[in-house]
Amino acid sequence: EAGVTQSPRYAVLQEGQAVSFWCDPISGHDTLYWYQQPRDQGPQLLVYFRDEAVIDNSQLPSDRFSAVRPKGTNSTLKIQSAKQGDTATYLCASSFRDRGWTEVFFGKGTRLTVV
Amino acid sequence: AQKVTQTQTSISVVEKTTVTMDCVYETRDSSYFLFWYKQTASGEIVFLIRQDSYKKENATVGHYSLNFQKPKSSIGLIITATQIEDSAVYFCAMREDNYAQGLTFGLGTRVSVFP
Repeated sequence: EAGVTQSPRYAVLQEGQAVSFWCDPISGHDTLYWYQQPRDQGPQLLVYFRDEAVIDNSQLPSDRFSAVRPKGTNSTLKIQSAKQGDTATYLCASSFRDRGWTEVFFGKGTRLTVV
Repeated sequence: AQKVTQTQTSISVVEKTTVTMDCVYETRDSSYFLFWYKQTASGEIVFLIRQDSYKKENATVGHYSLNFQKPKSSIGLIITATQIEDSAVYFCAMREDNYAQGLTFGLGTRVSVFP
């Protein structure tokens, strides 16, 4: 079974540039999460979907960040005008359901550096 | 709001010995789930073990076991017979059971296993 796939694996931007991250969750998983992991910290939830619906986007840093999952499968996270503070690894994860003990599977992440 | 705290930044151990990591959590809910994840040098995050709040028995999976002390809101991870490959960052995480949400992670503990 294929795991959670993310691309690109790395991105280097100058401040003000835009970037998009793509995620393909595990087949059949209805719930998809985007986490931000700054260096030497734990993952922090940005947004998550159940099917195509946004369940919680309260932790998206600002209107510079947006995420979509139009068909309830793949998802894209976009940063409109990157800042140095956005430097982090962006992790996509998926699960079947979003309650209780359900196991969450993580992709390998996209490491973003903003200079 | 839920919170997870890992106070140990790093731990070094000799191969084949036991390592113990601490984690304390905060929650208002009576039902919740606690998890430990491992992040390898490549950045991959892998689920290790889970403890359900309503279970009194400590969970055990392979050479991973938990020390669940509910009155202290504590969930320690114990790795016995450590191997070089156990060198990684270990994250404690939790999820409350009452509503849909993502995982809340601690800052992580870096474990280095030396020969």
